[in-house]
Amino acid sequence: GDSVTQMEGPVTLSEEAFLTINCTYTATGYPSLFWYVQYPGEGLQLLLKATKADDKGSNKGFEATYRKETTSFHLEKGSVQVSDSAVYFCALSDQAGTASKLTFGTGTRLQVTL
Amino acid sequence: DAGITQSPRYKITETGRQVTLMCHQTWSHSYMFWYRQDLGHGLRLIYYSAAADITDKGEVPDGYVVSRSKTENFPLTLESATRSQTSVYFCASSGQISNQPQHFGDGTRLSIL
Repeated sequence: GDSVTQMEGPVTLSEEAFLTINCTYTATGYPSLFWYVQYPGEGLQLLLKATKADDKGSNKGFEATYRKETTSFHLEKGSVQVSDSAVYFCALSDQAGTASKLTFGTGTRLQVTL
Repeated sequence: DAGITQSPRYKITETGRQVTLMCHQTWSHSYMFWYRQDLGHGLRLIYYSAAADITDKGEVPDGYVVSRSKTENFPLTLESATRSQTSVYFCASSGQISNQPQHFGDGTRLSIL
């Protein structure tokens, strides 16, 4: 079945540091890929998405490129802020069915300090 | 305001009790989902629904029951709660077009003593 593997956290960075959170996937067919962010006490919010190979999703300074050859969708940001502290989830959607079911990674907690 | 709301936000109950978690969305989205979030597991799909009166099992359906008599509501019932069902539960909805992003509620933190 489909699966998503994320790097383990927590990741602790100083403000303005470069961020990379690795995500690789296993899927049949051609899934869409997503990054969701969860702030403390809240539900998940869509951060960015990519629907086909070589697409780059971007939002709020975060970027991720759909790499079919390496089955990866790594999240990057050039300069993190304290307000970026949250849990980040990589996910893929099942295109084979009629429902857009999501398969999530286990999440990576990011802590940004001054 | 439009959105997806879950109630209650927090619930404490005892083993063997029945408990129902509510989810309501105002977007008229076709699809609705229930997930549980546990440390080390991320989010796991419990049940989902493609439309009113259509539901299907997800990855971890045992011990849960859902219904969807109206498009906007998707309640999740634990018929006889067990300690292993202590978790944070999230409801989500999405539109009918395949691979639209899901929109999540703020979750219900359920503790079973």
